Amino acid sequence: AQKVTQAQTEISVVEKEDVTLDCVYETRDTTYYLFWYKQPPSGELVFLIRRNSFDEQNEISGRYSWNFQKSTSSFNFTITASQVVDSAVYFCALSEAGGGATNKLIFGTGTLLAVQP
Amino acid sequence: SQTIHQWPATLVQPVGSPLSLECTVEGTSNPNLYWYRQAAGRGLQLLFYSVGIGQISSEVPQNLSASRPQDRQFILSSKKLLLSDSGFYLCAWSPRLFLRTDTQYFGPGTRLTVL
Repeated sequence: AQKVTQAQTEISVVEKEDVTLDCVYETRDTTYYLFWYKQPPSGELVFLIRRNSFDEQNEISGRYSWNFQKSTSSFNFTITASQVVDSAVYFCALSEAGGGATNKLIFGTGTLLAVQP
Repeated sequence: SQTIHQWPATLVQPVGSPLSLECTVEGTSNPNLYWYRQAAGRGLQLLFYSVGIGQISSEVPQNLSASRPQDRQFILSSKKLLLSDSGFYLCAWSPRLFLRTDTQYFGPGTRLTVL
């Protein structure tokens, strides 16, 4: 069965620190997609990144970077030089490809990141 | 560009009252539509999804139902609310692709409190 584990329930850092959010997934499929979403206090889930299982290249977008390692079934998210505006709950999610007309996301339980000024 | 709307933003309802939450998507056609609920513990639970008008799939048997009367309109309903229906309800859409998954984009959500 598919499963996503975010073992870090809450993380607190001081502004300008780097922080890594962990995500470990389980799936029997060879083709799948991984996602990260951000949920600020307003509640809306904001899409950050999608990565397919055949692309293990790390990605960087500004202060955000993602490290995908199939060998350890992990898709970790690092924020460099964190800012107060980064404070939010971050969700990792997994979806199978080839699921027909729909794609169901399996979400982790989220990590609450608090960035202190 | 695509936009997803949900209303109302917040709702306080007594136990036993009916419920209707609405979600509409603009700027796209034939989207897949989804309803999620987020309880206090932060976990996101898929409630319903739809691949077309009148086509609804339920993920979790419960006190709620969904309908899709128009291509870009998705409604979540209940005839009699329970205390356990309280939560944050999120609607999402994704492009409809055959044999390939794609990103789900979420609306602003509706915070429902049942008293």
